This record gives sequence, structure tokens and C-alpha cells, in this order.
Amino acid sequence: DTAVSQTPKYLVTQMGNDKSIKCEQNLGHDTMYWYKQDSKKFLKIMFSYNNKELIINETVPNRFSPKSPDKAHLNLHINSLELGDSAVYFCASSQDWPGLEAFFGQGTRLTVV
Amino acid sequence: GQQLNQSPQSMFIQEGEDVSMNCTSSSIFNTWLWYKQDPGEGPVLLIALYKAGELTSNGRLTAQFGITRKDSFLNISASIPSDVGIYFCAGLTGTYKYIFGTGTRLKVLA
Repeated sequence: DTAVSQTPKYLVTQMGNDKSIKCEQNLGHDTMYWYKQDSKKFLKIMFSYNNKELIINETVPNRFSPKSPDKAHLNLHINSLELGDSAVYFCASSQDWPGLEAFFGQGTRLTVV
Repeated sequence: GQQLNQSPQSMFIQEGEDVSMNCTSSSIFNTWLWYKQDPGEGPVLLIALYKAGELTSNGRLTAQFGITRKDSFLNISASIPSDVGIYFCAGLTGTYKYIFGTGTRLKVLA
């Protein structure tokens, strides 16, 4: 059973479209995160939710909107996709916040054409 | 903003050699983590360090939390081909965010 699973693994879409990435964790963790990894492999946190409450909201365009329907899920919706949004997006979870050990999903490679 | 610089950026080594890499910052961190990312996968935690000066091992890996709290080091002994990947350090800031380093890409020649 995968601890942190993201879908889809690959996503190719046109500029201007709206898309969602789903994330689920079966570890019983309270905290979930979204990270963005750019083409140079630099990892940067975007959002963090603890018990469904938004804790960290980095300087991310408001076209990106996370939604946490329950503690086990944190989805990422992106409106009006731009070329610069192309990256690998990782979901992660930790027992609590700030979380001394984060478990990462396999990533979603988003390509905007 | 806060940045973590990792050195070296990339390295090729022969199987069986020992590897050293480090992570430095101009800011103080309270916790240091070391992750490894295999191609097409998410990062996996290797070692966590919670106290300045702490030295912790995990198999062939040893990591140290620098005394100044501005750096950390990771050593891999007797490298094997499956050690290939990108190694990231991450530091926990005073505002409880993890900042990731720029990564060290390791390639092992059999």
C-alpha cells in the first residue's frame, strides 16, 4: 500500500486550462504539504495544511488553490495554467506540524504546452 | 530569503569510495534533514539531526549537525551503484518551514 499517493503521475495540458492534482495519505498523519520542484531540481514548499487548516501559504500565484476535504487528502487545483507552471509537484505528509519527518509522494510531472 | 547551498553540485565516484557532501547557510537552523531522491521518485528521508554537534549514522551514512547551526555534512562510506541519486539537505527555520538545499547529484561508476 502506497503511503502517499498522487494522481496523475503525468499531466500534459495546454496553456489556459484548469487542472487538479490529487493527493492521499494513508499514514494517519495530521499535516500535508505541496512542494514544487523545478527543472533544476530545486524543491520549494508551496502550502502546508495541519488538520485541514492552512498553515503555510508561500508566495504562490493565487491561480493555485489547495483544498483539504479531510486530513487524509490535500488536492491542488491550478487555474489558467501557464508555461512556467511546468514542474514536478510533490505532495508530502508528516505526523504533525512542523513535522520532523516528511513522507513524499512519487510526484506529478506537469507539462504545460 | 534563506538559502541552503550544497557542495559539490555533482560528483562522479568509483564504487567503493567514500563520499562527503555539505550544506551551508547564512542562517541558523534548528533541525537538519538529509533526503535522497531517486530518478522519478519523491525524496526519502535518510537522517534527521536535532541538536548542534550531533553525529548520527544510518548504515553506511553518517551526518553531522554543525556546531554553528549553519551547516551540516553527510558522508557515505564504501559507495555502491544504488547510491546514485540526488541528495538534499533541508533545514527547519524559526518559522517552522523546511528550506531545501540545491542538491548534490551523485553518480557511482561501477
